[in-house]
Amino acid sequence: KQEVTQIPAALSVPEGENLVLNCSFTDSAIYNLQWFRQDPGKGLTSLLLIQSSQREQTSGRLNASLDKSSGRSTLYIAASQPGDSATYLCAVTNSGGSNYKLTFGKGTLLTVNP
Amino acid sequence: DAGITQSPRYKITETGRQVTLMCHQTWSHSYMFWYRQDLGHGLRLIYYSAAADITDKGEVPDGYVVSRSKTENFPLTLESATRSQTSVYFCATKQGSGETQYFGPGTRLLVL
Repeated sequence: KQEVTQIPAALSVPEGENLVLNCSFTDSAIYNLQWFRQDPGKGLTSLLLIQSSQREQTSGRLNASLDKSSGRSTLYIAASQPGDSATYLCAVTNSGGSNYKLTFGKGTLLTVNP
Repeated sequence: DAGITQSPRYKITETGRQVTLMCHQTWSHSYMFWYRQDLGHGLRLIYYSAAADITDKGEVPDGYVVSRSKTENFPLTLESATRSQTSVYFCATKQGSGETQYFGPGTRLLVL
């Protein structure tokens, strides 16, 4: 059974700092990996999708990397801003017949202080 | 372009009552999903649908029923609500197997 772990559970940084959020998964046979953002009381917004054949994806100040063999992904946020404060969730889709199902980590709560 | 809408956004009900949560999408995506989000458990898949009239169980299906007679709608019914079903429920869609999942705004359900 796939398990996804996110470390740390919470992170507080001053504005302008570069930061890294970590995600690990137990079964390396994945189809893809997604990073989501969730604001309090809101739904999830997809940030980046990395296919299993890719090593990284970039969108603006965000860069996500994937090392499938070691079961790890990182989300790098450059020059953090207070508006980046949210919970960040990592989710993987396993390969094979169930390549629809997302398995989520429990998230990292990020606070960026002005 | 509304994307995914969920209704109601907030619901309070009593144990034993039947409750239906609605999910509607305007994109005609093939796949639709229902998740629940609870502290300590994260997001867990309840049911999913690959197309109209095709549904299957996820990780935590007990106590829930779904149907999908039209591509754009995917209602979730709690047949006899229990306090353990107090949660935030999210509907999601995606077009194809390798695609991004898009989430609705959620329904907060409180079962007294």
